[in-house]
Amino acid sequence: AQSVTQLGSHVSVSEGALVLLRCNYSSSVPPYLFWYVQYPNQGLQLLLKYTSAATLVKGINGFEAEFKKSETSFHLTKPSAHMSDAAEYFCAVSDSNYQLIWGAGTKLIIKP
Amino acid sequence: NAGVTQTPKFRVLKTGQSMTLLCAQDMNHEYMYWYRQDPGMGLRLIHYSVGEGTTAKGEVPDGYNVSRLKKQNFLLGLESAAPSQTSVYFCASSIQGADTEAFFGQGTRLTVV
Repeated sequence: AQSVTQLGSHVSVSEGALVLLRCNYSSSVPPYLFWYVQYPNQGLQLLLKYTSAATLVKGINGFEAEFKKSETSFHLTKPSAHMSDAAEYFCAVSDSNYQLIWGAGTKLIIKP
Repeated sequence: NAGVTQTPKFRVLKTGQSMTLLCAQDMNHEYMYWYRQDPGMGLRLIHYSVGEGTTAKGEVPDGYNVSRLKKQNFLLGLESAAPSQTSVYFCASSIQGADTEAFFGQGTRLTVV
């Protein structure tokens, strides 16, 4: 069965600094990988999705993620953090039954 | 364009009481899902539906029941609430299965005392 690990329940970066949120999945290659974002008191919304068309996936709000099969990783990055990026970020993978398996989430804190 | 709407947004229940959470989507999606979100645990799938009149169990179905009598609505019921069911509940819908984008409601914060 698929599993997802997000390293760090909280990540703090300064405004303008690089954002790196880590996601590792279990060894079998999942069909699809996702990053979702949850702003305070809101539901989740899709940031980006990997579908095997390209290993580097660009999403909304300047975020991108790179699929690395050898490392079983799908880390999320943004070159320059903005205060509006403060939110909780979830990595998810689809399993063999095409249900989503979710990571525990990483709360991104932006320091002014 | 409402998307996915959940009712109610907040609720406090006493142990043993029952309630129904309503989810409505206006995007003509086939798939609908109920998740619960607990601190440090991400989202866990309670039940889901692949179309009108169908339901299936997810990862944590015990203590919950669901119905999908109309395509646009997906109801989550708690027959006898327990403190362990204190959580934030999210409904989501998607055109097809987990390979397509899921659209989420704003959540229902349920406290069972």
